Amino acid sequence: KQEVTQIPAALSVPEGENLVLNCSFTDSAIYNLQWFRQDPGKGLTSLLLIQSSQREQTSGRLNASLDKSSGRSTLYIAASQPGDSATYLCAVRIGTGANNLFFGTGTRLTVIP
Amino acid sequence: DVKVTQSSRYLVKRTGEKVFLECVQDMDHENMFWYRQDPGLGLRLIYFSYDVKMKEKGDIPEGYSVSREKKERFSLILESASTNQTSMYLCASSFSANSYEQYFGPGTRLTVT
Repeated sequence: KQEVTQIPAALSVPEGENLVLNCSFTDSAIYNLQWFRQDPGKGLTSLLLIQSSQREQTSGRLNASLDKSSGRSTLYIAASQPGDSATYLCAVRIGTGANNLFFGTGTRLTVIP
Repeated sequence: DVKVTQSSRYLVKRTGEKVFLECVQDMDHENMFWYRQDPGLGLRLIYFSYDVKMKEKGDIPEGYSVSREKKERFSLILESASTNQTSMYLCASSFSANSYEQYFGPGTRLTVT
């Protein structure tokens, strides 16, 4: 069974700093990997989805990379802002069907003004 | 914009009560999902549905049942609530079985006392 790990569980950075969030998975045979944002007490919002054939995806100040062979993905946030404070989750899909999506436990990011 | 709504943001119930959590989506999506989210465990799939009156068990269906009488509505039922069902419950929907984009509701934080 696929296991998805996100370390650290929490991270605090000063505003303006560039930062990297990590996601690792145990089985490299994946369909895609997705990064989500979750604000306190709210649902998940999709940020970026990387297909297994891709190495990275970019959206604004966010850049997600994927290295299947090492079982790793990173989410790079440039010039962090207090509004980026949230929990970031990654999810790995190993096939079609609802029960083939595995979530990490998330990294809670705090950007200090 | 896709909208997924959940009937309650916060709910407090007593042990042994029957609990209904309602989820409605407004984009004619075929697939709907119920997850629970617990600290350190990430999101875990309880049940999902590919169509009206159709349901499939996820990873942790024990103690839960679901109902999908209409395409837009997916209900999660706790037949006899227990304290270990205290959790955040998230509903999601997606367009088709092969769609990787899941849209999440805001969540219901259920406390069972």
